[in-house]
Amino acid sequence: DAGVIQSPRHEVTEMGQEVTLRCKPISGHNSLFWYRQTMMRGLELLIYFNNNVPIDDSGMPEDRFSAKMPNASFSTLKIQPSEPRDSAVYFCASRSGTGYNEQFFGPGTRLTVL
Amino acid sequence: AQKVTQAQTEISVVEKEDVTLDCVYETRDTTYYLFWYKQPPSGELVFLIRRNSFDEQNEISGRYSWNFQKSTSSFNFTITASQVVDSAVYFCARQDAGNNRKLIWGLGTSLAVNP
Repeated sequence: DAGVIQSPRHEVTEMGQEVTLRCKPISGHNSLFWYRQTMMRGLELLIYFNNNVPIDDSGMPEDRFSAKMPNASFSTLKIQPSEPRDSAVYFCASRSGTGYNEQFFGPGTRLTVL
Repeated sequence: AQKVTQAQTEISVVEKEDVTLDCVYETRDTTYYLFWYKQPPSGELVFLIRRNSFDEQNEISGRYSWNFQKSTSSFNFTITASQVVDSAVYFCARQDAGNNRKLIWGLGTSLAVNP
């Protein structure tokens, strides 16, 4: 079975450019999470969707960040305009069931903003 | 905020040693779930175990074991006879049973197992 799929795996861009990260959750999973990982702040939850609806976006750092989940098999995280402090590894995770199950993570996207 | 604390930032052991990674959590809830994840050098996060607050039995899976002590709010992870492939960052997390079922993560313990 395919796990969570993320693309691209690596992204290098210049400050001010728009960045779009993509995620395909595990088929049948109804919750999707976007995380950011940095050395300074560890793992931070940015936003979480349940049945394609954003439930909690309190972790989204500012208006430059936006996330969508148009259907059960696809989500995007967009940063516009990007800044050097956005450099991090961004993980997508999905989960099945009522909410007590484990989350399964994608391989991450390493974003570098120059 | 109710936290998850992994007091050991880095641990270094020699292969075949036993090692315990500590996790202490805070919660006001009676129902909650605890998790451990492994992040090897390749970067992906791998689920290891989930435990609910009503099940205080210790869990063993091969060389891995987990000790859940509700009285001390701890959920410690022991690797017996460590191997170089166990080198990774290990994260402990807690999930409340409320409506917003987010995971609260510890900062991780970096384990280096040296040959």
